Amino acid sequence: ETGVTQTPRHLVMGMTNKKSLKCEQHLGHNAMYWYKQSAKKPLELMFVYSLEERVENNSVPSRFSPECPNSSHLFLHLHTLQPEDSALYLCASSQEPGLNQPQHFGDGTRLSIL
Amino acid sequence: GDSVTQMEGPVTLSEEAFLTINCTYTATGYPSLFWYVQYPGEGLQLLLKATKADDKGSNKGFEATYRKETTSFHLEKGSVQVSDSAVYFCALSDSLSGAGSYQLTFGKGTKLSVIP
Repeated sequence: ETGVTQTPRHLVMGMTNKKSLKCEQHLGHNAMYWYKQSAKKPLELMFVYSLEERVENNSVPSRFSPECPNSSHLFLHLHTLQPEDSALYLCASSQEPGLNQPQHFGDGTRLSIL
Repeated sequence: GDSVTQMEGPVTLSEEAFLTINCTYTATGYPSLFWYVQYPGEGLQLLLKATKADDKGSNKGFEATYRKETTSFHLEKGSVQVSDSAVYFCALSDSLSGAGSYQLTFGKGTKLSVIP
């Protein structure tokens, strides 16, 4: 039990599909994150939510749309993706978005775009 | 901007060998430093951390010391086991463009394979 659960674990979709990734944390944390992990590249931070408010720090294409309805749930809505979007998408949470706060990760969703 | 540089992998060691994975960083402020480990098919797990210069983080036989003078946070273990085979990520936490939040900046990861 990692405390951060992601579903689905694997997703295959066409470029015209719409799908959503789900993340749920059972740790009582106030901050949640989406990362993209591609082969041979550093983890890329996509979005940060602190107390359900989004703090954007990177330019992420609009085909990725996050949603944080409450502090325990985080979604990543996908629309009209490209083949280069195939990657492992990791969700994480931390007590606060603070300097010394370690992040707890889910096991990720492996996304493949046909 | 902030960055983390790790030694290129993969690293292959025999069981009970000594492990060092080098990590150096650049940061504008006074970051906290972390090592994360990713086992096959899983997400990242925090292995150890250090929050200020000269701090030593340790866990499961792994150690790393925050060296401000050399901007390094090298990971070491005296005797590796087959179960240590994984990808290891060095990371730093620094302020997020003054927005009052903090982000983790990761290195590319170093794959370790330990053979019996």
